[in-house]
Amino acid sequence: EDKVVQSPLSLVVHEGDTVTLNCSYEVTNFRSLLWYKQEKKAPTFLFMLTSSGIEKKSGRLSSILDKKELFSILNITATQTGDSAIYLCRVTSGSRLTFGEGTQLTVNP
Amino acid sequence: GAVVSQHPSRVICKSGTSVKIECRSLDFQATTMFWYRQFPKQSLMLMATSNEGSKATYEQGVEKDKFLINHASLTLSTLTVTSAHPEDSSFYICSASSGGFLYEQYFGPGTRLTVT
Repeated sequence: EDKVVQSPLSLVVHEGDTVTLNCSYEVTNFRSLLWYKQEKKAPTFLFMLTSSGIEKKSGRLSSILDKKELFSILNITATQTGDSAIYLCRVTSGSRLTFGEGTQLTVNP
Repeated sequence: GAVVSQHPSRVICKSGTSVKIECRSLDFQATTMFWYRQFPKQSLMLMATSNEGSKATYEQGVEKDKFLINHASLTLSTLTVTSAHPEDSSFYICSASSGGFLYEQYFGPGTRLTVT
């Protein structure tokens, strides 16, 4: 059975802090890993990773995939209160989609 | 950017009735649409995948006779919850892709269903 595990489940930080969110997976026939940000409603797409070691960057957010150790990290630097959300990791494997439980990030002023 | 809409955004219905939720891709052709269910404080659970013009593929444990999915055009998919019961109350989210599993999915805003 495919498994996607995110850690931590919940994180509370102050504005300006840097956070690192983890997503590890055990799947058959890995194809891609995607990160999403979910605020009050539906998730919005952040990054799609298919190759190991290539960092994807967008502003203060960056992500990288390690296909040997089977995990990805999402980094957010200089956090702002608007970064407060649930961050979801999704793995595509074969013809399956599996989401992790998500990391609830709270950024306090 | 790609926009996906859902209608209605919130619905309350009585037990035993059926509810239809629409998912539309507004500015692109969605060859594949996905339907998810999300319980409070839990992650998204994929219910089914539908390709335009063909029958939906349901995930294990999802009753296809209870959750009817139709994807009749490249811009519209519908999910009908038949004979709804209180345990069907949930947040239903659709997403659309122009190319299937490997491509980016664009999510709709979700529909909150409450069955009384």
